[in-house]
Amino acid sequence: NAGVTQTPKFQVLKTGQSMTLQCAQDMNHNSMYWYRQDPGMGLRLIYYSASEGTTDKGEVPNGYNVSRLNKREFSLRLESAAPSQTSVYFCASVRGGEQYFGPGTRLTVT
Amino acid sequence: KQEVTQIPAALSVPEGENLVLNCSFTDSAIYNLQWFRQDPGKGLTSLLLIQSSQREQTSGRLNASLDKSSGRSTLYIAASQPGDSATYLCAVSSGGGADGLTFGKGTHLIIQP
Repeated sequence: NAGVTQTPKFQVLKTGQSMTLQCAQDMNHNSMYWYRQDPGMGLRLIYYSASEGTTDKGEVPNGYNVSRLNKREFSLRLESAAPSQTSVYFCASVRGGEQYFGPGTRLTVT
Repeated sequence: KQEVTQIPAALSVPEGENLVLNCSFTDSAIYNLQWFRQDPGKGLTSLLLIQSSQREQTSGRLNASLDKSSGRSTLYIAASQPGDSATYLCAVSSGGGADGLTFGKGTHLIIQP
């Protein structure tokens, strides 16, 4: 039982490049979330998915897209990366109201 | 909009002391409150979850209380140890459509050996 896994762990992009952050959970949870963590700002919700096939915007969705193709996986895509998207990205899934977080992806956009 | 504040922002105490971390939130209509621990460069580890109908939860040396009416929660750590050094984050869920967590900015705790 791996819990919540995220890939990659680290990534450096140039401005304008695109990439997809992957998240998977093996706990059979319906709800999954993407957050970003920035110094002085705390963690903020980007997008969430209440169930397979559904997604909704959180507090800071601009510049991101998500995809929930099946119950296990919830991916976050940056179509045209900007330096303001330099951050640590966390994925989480929920059981009984309790959120379980992955180890994070540290992204730097130059 | 829900806002979560954690006081103090940083705390350094000698090993063995009992300590209290504070969390306040502006909207008392919460679904639950969760305390997390985050070690440097790592993800978040859930410590305690308090449902809105509960007053407190305990796990080992940790005890978290919730007073919804006053918009406050406290995390009590008994007999602190150097291994407790980390950043402690409080987060509330307001339920509804976007039931993501609203996080405080954390308390950076250092336990001096």
